[in-house]
Amino acid sequence: AQTVTQSQPEMSVQEAETVTLSCTYDTSESNYYLFWYKQPPSRQMILVIRQEAYKQQNATENRFSVNFQKAAKSFSLKISDSQLGDTAMYFCAPRPIQGAQKLVFGQGTRLTINP
Amino acid sequence: GAGVSQSPSNKVTEKGKDVELRCDPISGHTALYWYRQSLGQGLEFLIYFQGNSAPDKSGLPSDRFSAERTGGSVSTLTIQRTQQEDSAVYLCASSLAGGTWIGYGYTFGSGTRLTVV
Repeated sequence: AQTVTQSQPEMSVQEAETVTLSCTYDTSESNYYLFWYKQPPSRQMILVIRQEAYKQQNATENRFSVNFQKAAKSFSLKISDSQLGDTAMYFCAPRPIQGAQKLVFGQGTRLTINP
Repeated sequence: GAGVSQSPSNKVTEKGKDVELRCDPISGHTALYWYRQSLGQGLEFLIYFQGNSAPDKSGLPSDRFSAERTGGSVSTLTIQRTQQEDSAVYLCASSLAGGTWIGYGYTFGSGTRLTVV
């Protein structure tokens, strides 16, 4: 079974600042993907960034980047130059390549970007 | 369609009534998932359909909950004899399955907010 821990229930930063959201997970799978999703007030879950566990290089997508530490089972998300539109709930989720391949979500971090 | 469509967007029902929630996945996506999200909480897995295989029902919280997927496309989640604790947002997602498609994650619908009064 997989478990995901997001230890920061809420975070708040000023616009243009950099913020890092933490995520640790536990899985017995040897190969998997990791995802960060954001959920703005509209409820729509939006994929932010993904990481292949067998790749050592950290993924980046514009202002979003991850710090993936496989041995520590840590997958943090860094948002640079934060914008008001980044205000949302953020969820971390691993997805195994084998079996049901279902995403297991953490409890989320509520991020607020203040003007 | 272009995205995952869920209906209704909002549903208010009386305690004890049955409700049906509908999910129309992206055409060609063989995998379909239902999740439940209580207010301010994370996503709780309910059920998973993959092609013609038997569904993974391991997340259904009680026998009042059931789901079906007809023709490998549209899915309906049914809650019988609704209770107040069933109030939540019910999210549906679909994906391609297997191989490198795993890396593309899910595409989610906008969810159905169910309120049991």
